[in-house]
Amino acid sequence: KQEVTQIPAALSVPEGENLVLNCSFTDSAIYNLQWFRQDPGKGLTSLLLIQSSQREQTSGRLNASLDKSSGRSTLYIAASQPGDSATYLCAVKTGGFKTIFGAGTRLFVKA
Amino acid sequence: NAGVTQTPKFRVLKTGQSMTLLCAQDMNHEYMYWYRQDPGMGLRLIHYSVGEGTTAKGEVPDGYNVSRLKKQNFLLGLESAAPSQTSVYFCASTLTGGAGNTIYFGEGSWLTVV
Repeated sequence: KQEVTQIPAALSVPEGENLVLNCSFTDSAIYNLQWFRQDPGKGLTSLLLIQSSQREQTSGRLNASLDKSSGRSTLYIAASQPGDSATYLCAVKTGGFKTIFGAGTRLFVKA
Repeated sequence: NAGVTQTPKFRVLKTGQSMTLLCAQDMNHEYMYWYRQDPGMGLRLIHYSVGEGTTAKGEVPDGYNVSRLKKQNFLLGLESAAPSQTSVYFCASTLTGGAGNTIYFGEGSWLTVV
């Protein structure tokens, strides 16, 4: 059974710091991995999608990597800003129609 | 540019009452999903649909029913609400089931069962 884990559950950093959020999964047979952002009281917004044949994706200050063999993905945020404060979730798409979500990392960027 | 719209946003129910959550998408997506989100547990799939007139069970389907009579709408029903169904419900859609498809979410519906 696929399990997705995100550690740490919460993270507080000063503004301007580069940071890495981690996501691990137990079964390497995935179709894709997505990173989402969730603001309080809101839905999830997709940030990056990495297909199984890809190693990384970039969007602005965000870079996500995927290492299927080790069951890990990282989301790198450069030059963090207070507006980056949110919960970040990763999700893996497995066989059939299943997408398994991690519980998320709550990020707080201090001004 | 609405995307995925859910109604209502907030609702309080008494145990045993019934209600329906409505999800509408204007992106002509084939696949639609209902998830629930509980603290510390991530999102769990309740039911999903791969096209108009189809529905299927997800990970936690008990106590819920769904219908997809029109391609753009996906309804989630609670026949007899229980306190364990207190949660935040999210509707989502994808163009197809392919690996390159981004998931689009609604804003969520907060349900409290007392």
